[in-house]
Amino acid sequence: SQTIHQWPATLVQPVGSPLSLECTVEGTSNPNLYWYRQAAGRGLQLLFYSVGIGQISSEVPQNLSASRPQDRQFILSSKKLLLSDSGFYLCAWRGGNPSYEQYFGPGTRLTVT
Amino acid sequence: QKEVEQDPGPLSVPEGAIVSLNCTYSNSAFQYFMWYRQYSRKGPELLMYTYSSGNKEDGRFTAQVDKSSKYISLFIRDSQPSDSATYLCAMRSPGNTPLVFGKGTRLSVIA
Repeated sequence: SQTIHQWPATLVQPVGSPLSLECTVEGTSNPNLYWYRQAAGRGLQLLFYSVGIGQISSEVPQNLSASRPQDRQFILSSKKLLLSDSGFYLCAWRGGNPSYEQYFGPGTRLTVT
Repeated sequence: QKEVEQDPGPLSVPEGAIVSLNCTYSNSAFQYFMWYRQYSRKGPELLMYTYSSGNKEDGRFTAQVDKSSKYISLFIRDSQPSDSATYLCAMRSPGNTPLVFGKGTRLSVIA
């Protein structure tokens, strides 16, 4: 069966510090991968998605970036965090067939101080 | 008009009640419809997945899609306190397109 992992689970970082969040998927190949942010009291905001290695689509221009160095690995990064980057970051995957369902990871709670 | 509209609630019901959660949408190209349940500080969990119109039942949960009205529903029968969570609707069009989510409805089932 497929499993999605995210780490770290929680993170407290000062403003201006770098960020690296990692997501890995097990039990599937060539998944579509997604990064979302969920701010307190707000809905899910799609940040990036990837349909293959090295292929990244950005949905929202901001100081975040994403990379997919391996088929089942998706990384969210920032060079300098802002207070507004605080939130709950969720990674999700979906099989390559467009009819497949999408599944979420456990999330990383980021607090920028 | 937003692509997907969902009443944020909160919705509070007594244990055993039938709960109805709804979303409306504007994009007639949407073909795949999903409902997620999200407990506090957890990732969303896929509850129901429906393709095109019709009903789908899974235990106490029933998902309905009415494409002519651009309206989807999730019914929860015999609601339990463990059903207390935020419920998110999501949908997308065919092809490799991302899901579009509603903002979620917060449900509390009171024992």
